[in-house]
Amino acid sequence: GEDVEQSLFLSVREGDSSVINCTYTDSSSTYLYWYKQEPGAGLQLLTYIFSNMDMKQDQRLTVLLNKKDKHLSLRIADTQTGDSAIYFCAESLTGSARQLTFGSGTQLTVLP
Amino acid sequence: GAVVSQHPSRVICKSGTSVKIECRSLDFQATTMFWYRQFPKQSLMLMATSNEGSKATYEQGVEKDKFLINHASLTLSTLTVTSAHPEDSSFYICSASPGQVKNIQYFGAGTRLSVL
Repeated sequence: GEDVEQSLFLSVREGDSSVINCTYTDSSSTYLYWYKQEPGAGLQLLTYIFSNMDMKQDQRLTVLLNKKDKHLSLRIADTQTGDSAIYFCAESLTGSARQLTFGSGTQLTVLP
Repeated sequence: GAVVSQHPSRVICKSGTSVKIECRSLDFQATTMFWYRQFPKQSLMLMATSNEGSKATYEQGVEKDKFLINHASLTLSTLTVTSAHPEDSSFYICSASPGQVKNIQYFGAGTRLSVL
């Protein structure tokens, strides 16, 4: 079955790096995503990685994928107060008609 | 970038009334749109998948007569919560997937529904 897990909370100091982790169980995942949700808002697609990639970097964001361990991480460099939000990882399966399975979300709090 | 507009952002209604929520893809054609429900401090729960010109596919446990979905064009899907009750109060979010870019969903800003 599909199961995506994340830790619920993470606190970091402004300027430090944040690492948000995610594990998934279905090895047939094709794409893995990171979304950001600010209070009372919808989800903003931050980045995604195809399952045959190990790493993807986009400005301050670095995604690492360990397919063997079914582990996905999002690193945010030089974390700012505006990065405080809930971060969801999600997976899309082969032949799933583009459906996404979301993790529970990680609340990132950036302390001054 | 791809923009999905969702309206209204917030609605308060009396029990027994029906509420319609619109989801529009503004700068792309969306062959598939999705409707999610999110409870406080929880993840998104997929309610249904909406394909343009055909009936929506509902997830197990979601009442199709309660949550009516219409996807009449490539840029618009609507969710109507019929005979709303307080337990229907929730945050509803839509997403749209461009036809030419598979496996990418762009989300609307969500609709906060409060049923009194």
